[in-house]
Amino acid sequence: GAVVSQHPSRVICKSGTSVKIECRSLDFQATTMFWYRQFPKQSLMLMATSNEGSKATYEQGVEKDKFLINHASLTLSTLTVTSAHPEDSSFYICSARDYTGTKTNYGYTFGSGTRLTVV
Amino acid sequence: DAKTTQPPSMDCAEGRAANLPCNHSTISGNEYVYWYRQIHSQGPQYIIHGLKNNETNEMASLIITEDRKSSTLILPHATLRDTAVYYCIVRHNTGGFKTIFGAGTRLFVKA
Repeated sequence: GAVVSQHPSRVICKSGTSVKIECRSLDFQATTMFWYRQFPKQSLMLMATSNEGSKATYEQGVEKDKFLINHASLTLSTLTVTSAHPEDSSFYICSARDYTGTKTNYGYTFGSGTRLTVV
Repeated sequence: DAKTTQPPSMDCAEGRAANLPCNHSTISGNEYVYWYRQIHSQGPQYIIHGLKNNETNEMASLIITEDRKSSTLILPHATLRDTAVYYCIVRHNTGGFKTIFGAGTRLFVKA
C-alpha cells in the first residue's frame, strides 16, 4: 500500500534556529501533500496544502514566512520552521494522496510524524 | 466539508465490541464518511470509509444510517492495542480536498 515517510521522527533545536522536516511518498507520486500540527491532547490542525511545482496554500492564521513549504518533486515536500521558538514545539504530521486511486482509502496516507522540541 | 460530532471518550472491555458513534447531520450527497485512528505519538491510520452502504474490512465495520446523518464504527473484538483516538471525518473524495479533523473519541480498552 501507499507509504509516506517522514524524517526526522524527533528533533531538538535551539531557539532562533531553523528546522527542516521532510515528507516523502515512497511508492507513489503525490501532487498534493498536507501539513498538520498537533499540540498535546489536541486534534490535528491543518496548516497548509503543498502543491507540486507551485506555492503552498496556507490556512488562516498560519504564518507562511515562518513555516516555509517546498514541494519541488512529486515525491517530496519539506516544511521548514524558521527562527523556531519554544511555542513552535509540537508534533508535525504530513499527509499525501496517491492519485493512482487505490481502493483501500483513496490514498490519503499519513506520515508517522515529527516531534519538534525547541529549547 | 461537513462537521462531525463524537463523544470525547469511551471505555470498552477487552474482547468485546467497541461501537463508536458519529453524527454528521450536515453531510452532503457526495461526501464520504472516513474513520481514522491515532495511537499515541503516531500519525493517523486509515480504518475504513463509506458513502451510504455499510462497509466491512479486516479492521472494522462501518454502519451508516439511511439518512446518512450518523454512522457507527464497530471494532468487533477490541484489544488493548485498539486504545487510541478515533476520528470520524466527512470529506469529498476527489481532487485535493483537505482532511479536517475534529476532536475525535478517545477509546480506552481495558483488560
